[in-house]
Amino acid sequence: GIQVEQSPPDLILQEGANSTLRCNFSDSVNNLQWFHQNPWGQLINLFYIPSGTKQNGRLSATTVATERYSLLYISSSQTTDSGVYFCAVQNSGGSNYKLTFGKGTLLTVNP
Amino acid sequence: DSGVTQTPKHLITATGQRVTLRCSPRSGDLSVYWYQQSLDQGLQFLIQYYNGEERAKGNILERFSAQQFPDLHSELNLSSLELGDSALYFCASSVSINTEAFFGQGTRLTVV
Repeated sequence: GIQVEQSPPDLILQEGANSTLRCNFSDSVNNLQWFHQNPWGQLINLFYIPSGTKQNGRLSATTVATERYSLLYISSSQTTDSGVYFCAVQNSGGSNYKLTFGKGTLLTVNP
Repeated sequence: DSGVTQTPKHLITATGQRVTLRCSPRSGDLSVYWYQQSLDQGLQFLIQYYNGEERAKGNILERFSAQQFPDLHSELNLSSLELGDSALYFCASSVSINTEAFFGQGTRLTVV
C-alpha cells in the first residue's frame, strides 16, 4: 500500500516562530488532508489539498502531486498550535479507498 | 464541531466483554470510516462503508464487526475485549469515497 512519511517527528518552537512540516507519499493520490490533533484528542481538519496551494490565516499548505510531497507552513506560532499534525492520503489507484495516515509531527510551542 | 457525532465519549469495560460504538455522519455524507488510534500503532484504518455497503477493509480483527444502517449511521461492535483493545476509536464521514473526510471526537475505550 501507499506509504506516508512525515518530518520532522518532533518540533519545539518559541511562540512567534515559523515552521514547515513535510509529508512525502509513495504513490499518486486523489485526496490529501492535513489534520491537527489537539491535546484533547480531537482531529481538526486544516486543509483538503490534493494539489496546489491554500491559505487559512496563519496556516498555508502546498501539495506538489507530481513530486509526491506536501508542505504545511505555520507562521507566527502560538501555544494553541501545539499538538500533533497528521498528513493523510488516499491512493488514486485501484479500489483502495482508505485514508492512510502518516505518523505525525509533534509540535510544541513554548511561551 | 465537525458534524460527526460519536457516542459514547468514554467507555470503561472489563476484559471479555462486548461493546458497541455508534457514529452519526454529517448530514448528506454517504461514506463512513472507522479508525483505531493507540499509542504504539498510530491511526489505523479499520473499515469503510459507502451507502450501506462495505467498500474497504483494513486490519480489523475478527472480534470486531461493523455495519452501516439505512439511515446511514454506523456501529462498530467490539467483542471478547482484551487489554490491548484500549484505544481511541474514531469515526469519520465524507460525501463520497474520495472527498474530504471529517472526524468525530472519538470514543476512548479503556479495557480493565
